[in-house]
Amino acid sequence: QVQLVESGGGVVPPGRSLRLSCAASGFTFSGFGVHWVRQSPGKGLEWVAVIWYDADNKYYAESVKGRFTISRDNSKNTLYLQMNSLRVEDTAVYYCARAGQQLHYELWGQGTLVTVSS
Amino acid sequence: DIQMTQSPSTLSASVGDRVTITCRASQSISDWLAWYQQRPGKAPKVLIYKASTLESGVPSRFSGSGSGTEFTLTITSLQPDDFATYYCHQYNTYPTFGQGTKVEIK
Repeated sequence: QVQLVESGGGVVPPGRSLRLSCAASGFTFSGFGVHWVRQSPGKGLEWVAVIWYDADNKYYAESVKGRFTISRDNSKNTLYLQMNSLRVEDTAVYYCARAGQQLHYELWGQGTLVTVSS
Repeated sequence: DIQMTQSPSTLSASVGDRVTITCRASQSISDWLAWYQQRPGKAPKVLIYKASTLESGVPSRFSGSGSGTEFTLTITSLQPDDFATYYCHQYNTYPTFGQGTKVEIK
């Protein structure tokens, strides 16, 4: 079954760290670029970061640059998002999404909720 | 960043209605635009990519058009399953999304 499954969300106080994972199955993970996209409660979608299929290139939204790190382990078919110095405004559902050949997001995970609160 | 302005924010319609949602980019994005449908509590699902290409498995009542800075998503005959929120997404440069259009029952 072709799918992405996120994990690692939870409740953390401001300033702390959290690592999210996105496990891929049913397709050749190493052949695709993958993104993190987040959605604050009741709000719209915000792109967070992308990593190319070979991990050679990574790009970040300004709102997370310097605090978040995207990485992948193609041997484990897993994408990661290391989130440091978390802020209240980082509270959101975090989705991983696979980029298709035409670069749109053709496959999404179910999301994992991160709540930053004291 | 390229700003994506979607309109309307909310749309009230009935089953069978023809519905059009517009997305305007702050600068030209060629045809690097996708449309997604999101139901409450679920992940977004792609409907259209490259402005007008229908994703496999998506009903043909959905269509997209436009290029440059003006884009539209049209649903020709609204079905009960279509009451949801729709987002446009540009991926010409650093990705950005429209603010969403909620299609609700009239």
